[in-house]
Amino acid sequence: AQSVSQHNHHVILSEAASLELGCNYSYGGTVNLFWYVQYPGQHLQLLLKYFSGDPLVKGIKGFEAEFIKSKFSFNLRKPSVQWSDTAEYFCAVSGGATNKLIFGTGTLLAVQP
Amino acid sequence: GAVVSQHPSRVICKSGTSVKIECRSLDFQATTMFWYRQFPKQSLMLMATSNEGSKATYEQGVEKDKFLINHASLTLSTLTVTSAHPEDSSFYICSASLNRDYGYTFGSGTRLTVV
Repeated sequence: AQSVSQHNHHVILSEAASLELGCNYSYGGTVNLFWYVQYPGQHLQLLLKYFSGDPLVKGIKGFEAEFIKSKFSFNLRKPSVQWSDTAEYFCAVSGGATNKLIFGTGTLLAVQP
Repeated sequence: GAVVSQHPSRVICKSGTSVKIECRSLDFQATTMFWYRQFPKQSLMLMATSNEGSKATYEQGVEKDKFLINHASLTLSTLTVTSAHPEDSSFYICSASLNRDYGYTFGSGTRLTVV
């Protein structure tokens, strides 16, 4: 069965700082990888996803993530964060016959103006 | 784009009663639907996976007799919380998928409060 770990539980940054959130997964087969964002009081929104092809994936709002198969990682990056990026970020992985989507524990990002 | 409609968005019920939550895929046929539970400030915990026309597969630790899942058609799955108790209060979210290459579409969630 697949599992996902996010090592940063809380991150506090100033505006314009660069962001990198770690995500590692555990699964021996082919996986699909996702990053979702949940703004305060709102619902999940897909930031980006990786199914195959170019391991550097670009998503919405200036986010990108890089799939490194050898490291079982799919870290999320943004070169310059804004106050409006304050939210909780979830990494998720799907794979195997059931195609179920498993979420990491989430990273709460607070951007200070 | 793909849309999943989840109802109700909020429900308050008395302890001991049952509550049904509906999840509908509006513009695609969802061969698989997933039910999650999210506690405040925590992640989404997968409760069960349901495939149209077959029994749901529950994750370890989830009581199948308490959380009844029915996926009678390709566009509708329901989660019934039976004999609800205050500890069942939570945010329940459904997700639908056409196939593994399609990705996942999430409902807007249901806030259940058991009093």
